[in-house]
Amino acid sequence: AQSVTQLDSQVPVFEEAPVELRCNYSSSVSVYLFWYVQYPNQGLQLLLKYLSGSTLVKSINGFEAEFNKSQTSFHLRKPSVHISDTAEYFCAVRGTNAGKSTFGDGTTLTVKP
Amino acid sequence: DTEVTQTPKHLVMGMTNKKSLKCEQHMGHRAMYWYKQKAKKPPELMFVYSYEKLSINESVPSRFSPECPNSSLLNLHLHALQPEDSALYLCASSQALVTYEQYFGPGTRLTVT
Repeated sequence: AQSVTQLDSQVPVFEEAPVELRCNYSSSVSVYLFWYVQYPNQGLQLLLKYLSGSTLVKSINGFEAEFNKSQTSFHLRKPSVHISDTAEYFCAVRGTNAGKSTFGDGTTLTVKP
Repeated sequence: DTEVTQTPKHLVMGMTNKKSLKCEQHMGHRAMYWYKQKAKKPPELMFVYSYEKLSINESVPSRFSPECPNSSLLNLHLHALQPEDSALYLCASSQALVTYEQYFGPGTRLTVT
């Protein structure tokens, strides 16, 4: 069984400030880890994924996430946010041998001018 | 082409109507998924097809009937729905059932009156 906990339901920040969205998971098997972003009235877009190898993964738009096995965490960070980053962010885990993903409850990131 | 398309974008139906949601991908993916997403909640898995065969049914009521006519198409047939079935219905695909990365469509916003 797997579970995902996103520790903050809402994160308001000012433009150009740094942000961290926290995600912890539990699983009895090896997992892949993902961050998805959902803009209003749209589907989910894959933002980042950790499969294996380097524990720090980066996206093309400045987000990064670090897999910490000992703390079972996969926190998402960005050093300087933009208004356009306002969206819902979902952390998800997927067993390496399973067809199902488990999603966290989501974190609403609101970037204010 | 890394796109999953869904039609219609919006659907309003009465409780006695029969309607269908359609999903299409041309990435050669052999696993396809239906999710239901309520406002401010994570997606909930409904069905998974692998190589055009139903692989996972998450105990979804029979008023939802999935169909996978070929490897590129996925339908969700709706009949006698309830107002609480109003939600965003998301389709996704992945290369295979145990492949890590899922691609999501934009969703169909369903309202049951």
